[in-house]
Amino acid sequence: AQRVTQPEKLLSVFKGAPVELKCNYSYSGSPELFWYVQYSRQRLQLLLRHISRESIKGFTADLNKGETSFHLKKPFAQEEDSAMYYCALSYNQGGKLIFGQGTELSVKP
Amino acid sequence: DAGVIQSPRHEVTEMGQEVTLRCKPISGHNSLFWYRQTMMRGLELLIYFNNNVPIDDSGMPEDRFSAKMPNASFSTLKIQPSEPRDSAVYFCASTTWTEAFFGQGTRLTVV
Repeated sequence: AQRVTQPEKLLSVFKGAPVELKCNYSYSGSPELFWYVQYSRQRLQLLLRHISRESIKGFTADLNKGETSFHLKKPFAQEEDSAMYYCALSYNQGGKLIFGQGTELSVKP
Repeated sequence: DAGVIQSPRHEVTEMGQEVTLRCKPISGHNSLFWYRQTMMRGLELLIYFNNNVPIDDSGMPEDRFSAKMPNASFSTLKIQPSEPRDSAVYFCASTTWTEAFFGQGTRLTVV
């Protein structure tokens, strides 16, 4: 079955430190992977998608099919990055979209 | 466009009562999803529709849960009868082919 796993419920780092939020998935085909973010009192919103190969707010994520991972990275964390981050997988364009359990990132001053 | 609109924002009800959550998707989006968010399980997909047709309801926890999408601009998620373990935040999302847009969610508390 398709599954997304985020092993860390909470990740706490100091401002300026590198951050990596882990995401592993199980799917035998060619998935589309996404990261969504939920800032305090705001809606979930798309942060980035793997097919775009983009960097948003300094975050990047590389799809590693061999390790079935899509970890989210940022070299220097900022306090405004504190939020809930969800990794998501879709395997039909516009079709079923499933999420991991989420990781709360706390960036301390 | 005001985005995906959910109502009510908060609902407190007694165990055994019927609860109806509502969602208005973004116009032109062809898929609609209902999710339940809890601390323990994160975001669980309950059901999704494509062009108003239910495609996958395997995430619906029990027969007490039902969802409808009578037209492209409205969907409901109903719980009857409600139980305390149904307490959670319920999100609706509508999608283009490449991105899901979420509503603000309905925080349901069953006492």
